[in-house]
Amino acid sequence: QLQLQESGPGLVKPSETLSLTCTVSGGSISSSSYYWGWIRQPPGKGLEWIGSIYYSGSTYYNPSLKSRVTISVDTSKNQFSLKLSSVTAADTAVYYCARVVVVTATFDYWGQGTLVTVSS
Amino acid sequence: DIVMTQSPDSLAVSLGERATINCKSSQSVLYSSNNKNYLAWYQQKPGQPPKLLIYWASTRESGVPDRFSGSGSGTDFTLTISSLQAEDVAVYYCQQYYSTPPLYTFGQGTKLEIK
Repeated sequence: QLQLQESGPGLVKPSETLSLTCTVSGGSISSSSYYWGWIRQPPGKGLEWIGSIYYSGSTYYNPSLKSRVTISVDTSKNQFSLKLSSVTAADTAVYYCARVVVVTATFDYWGQGTLVTVSS
Repeated sequence: DIVMTQSPDSLAVSLGERATINCKSSQSVLYSSNNKNYLAWYQQKPGQPPKLLIYWASTRESGVPDRFSGSGSGTDFTLTISSLQAEDVAVYYCQQYYSTPPLYTFGQGTKLEIK
């Protein structure tokens, strides 16, 4: 059974960089059938796609966040990572990592999510 | 920007009754190359990640009960729960995919409760 697990600091100071890692187990991140993505959800609000990465390193980002986002992949560790720079309180959210099915363009497996709070 | 608008924002339905949630996209999600609508539906229960229910507008994900069905094409879509069960209480989201450039957009969500 595929599992995804987010990890990283739960508290980040304003203007600093948020860094999270997603560890994939029970399957290979190097499959040609999938991208790997990050989605966030502010408390009590809806879902926002942040960006996605292919095992080759090819990325695409939400235009609204593109200037601040970097997603990378480490196939040797079966992990992918998110960096979001210059954070503000508006970036406080539960951050999810998920598998993206290429052929259907859907998120079929999700991590449990990790709450990141931006506060001094 | 592509905007996904769900209606209603919240819905209360009696157990065993039909629940209907609508989703409208500001642009067509139908791809002529393969005649597929890139529209999906998710269910999110409190404290849990979203769960994929429907993709390509009407194809149920493996393991999803057949009381869940999706319909629609182009810009207008519907999620129907034919006979509401207590475990269906959740927030439901639609999601579209646009390919140029690649972009995923979710609706604002519809909260479904028991009447």
